[in-house]
Amino acid sequence: GDSVTQMEGPVTLSEEAFLTINCTYTATGYPSLFWYVQYPGEGLQLLLKATKADDKGSNKGFEATYRKETTSFHLEKGSVQVSDSAVYFCALSDRRALTFGSGTRLQVQP
Amino acid sequence: KAGVTQTPRYLIKTRGQQVTLSCSPISGHRSVSWYQQTPGQGLQFLFEYFSETQRNKGNFPGRFSGRQFSNSRSEMNVSTLELGDSALYLCASSLNPGGDNSPLHFGNGTRLTVT
Repeated sequence: GDSVTQMEGPVTLSEEAFLTINCTYTATGYPSLFWYVQYPGEGLQLLLKATKADDKGSNKGFEATYRKETTSFHLEKGSVQVSDSAVYFCALSDRRALTFGSGTRLQVQP
Repeated sequence: KAGVTQTPRYLIKTRGQQVTLSCSPISGHRSVSWYQQTPGQGLQFLFEYFSETQRNKGNFPGRFSGRQFSNSRSEMNVSTLELGDSALYLCASSLNPGGDNSPLHFGNGTRLTVT
């Protein structure tokens, strides 16, 4: 079945550092890809999405490009802030449901 | 616009009991999905309802059930609770089913602890 693999965390960075969280997927069809973020004590919020190959999703300074050839959807941000500290989930949709990765905790230190 | 509301926020039950969790979707959203989040298994899809009909179901035993009412509010029920059912249960709503072109909006979850 479909699956999503994310890099293990926690990822600890200093403020203004560059962020990359790796995400690769396995799917039989052509899924849509998502990044969700979960702040402490809250549910998940959609961060960005891409629905077809070579699409780039972006929001709040975060970007991810749908790479079909490498089955990847890595999350990047040029300069992280303390307020970005959260758990980030990569997910794919087969139009039935979302399949999530295990999540990557990001800790940004001032 | 109010977000997805889940009640109660916390719940403690004993093994063997049953529990009902409630979810009120964003106004106008007709699709409601449920997910279970645990440290070991991560986020797993339980089921999705659209227009009062179960549209999809994940790989969970029959002890897990749900329903949706005509106002799109949804409930999920877990019978004969087991220790392994301890989890954060997340509800998400969307305009249309499938979670693809219609983004999911998640509630803050119900934290269920089974003792």
